[in-house]
Amino acid sequence: GEEVAQTPKHLVRGEGQKAKLYCAPIKGHSYVFWYQQVLKNEFKFLISFQNENVFDETGMPKERFSAKCLPNSPCSLEIQATKLEDSAVYFCASSDQGDQPQHFGDGTRLSIL
Amino acid sequence: ILNVEQSPQSLHVQEGDSTNFTCSFPSSNFYALHWYRWETAKSPEALFVMTLNGDEKKKGRISATLNTKEGYSYLYIKGSQPEDSATYLCASRGGSQGNLIFGKGTKLSVKP
Repeated sequence: GEEVAQTPKHLVRGEGQKAKLYCAPIKGHSYVFWYQQVLKNEFKFLISFQNENVFDETGMPKERFSAKCLPNSPCSLEIQATKLEDSAVYFCASSDQGDQPQHFGDGTRLSIL
Repeated sequence: ILNVEQSPQSLHVQEGDSTNFTCSFPSSNFYALHWYRWETAKSPEALFVMTLNGDEKKKGRISATLNTKEGYSYLYIKGSQPEDSATYLCASRGGSQGNLIFGKGTKLSVKP
């Protein structure tokens, strides 16, 4: 598609439950990035993919967080045993090769109760 | 870890005023500087990607400059309009496909 599509828009989970977020990058883009926006304007990098391969996972919490980008499927970000501090807006972005901007989706607002 | 700083944190101007704000970033390991316009509950909208020292880019009434040696970029808005009200984010990228390190943004409010 022409836009990065993230689903769902809003996800509510009880503490300890699993949460799974999805991202369909722009068709033809090789790179996918996940960012977590916790405080008002702070975007924190989590993980990036080049096609289905992890490119950089230095921002990913070691426990509970995992992500995949499989061929012919939306990319996913999964959080096991959610905690209150996981409440955030999770943004996905994709980009083409070279000096192009990262194009962002509308985000998924995750609320942990 | 790169620290990207933006100032001011917020800005209130009258319609028709011109304004500018600053993004500073570590000049070592610099690859590119991105500017985004972001309205809450929407996706950040890419404005500019800047890579070369002395670069100047323009899009309508919005323009940006880049100084990679001293590590700063300015964003200018000429003749602000209420629809310019948004948070302007800058982000530094440390490699050709590296992740973005974001500043905390400058929230601009333009009063009619």
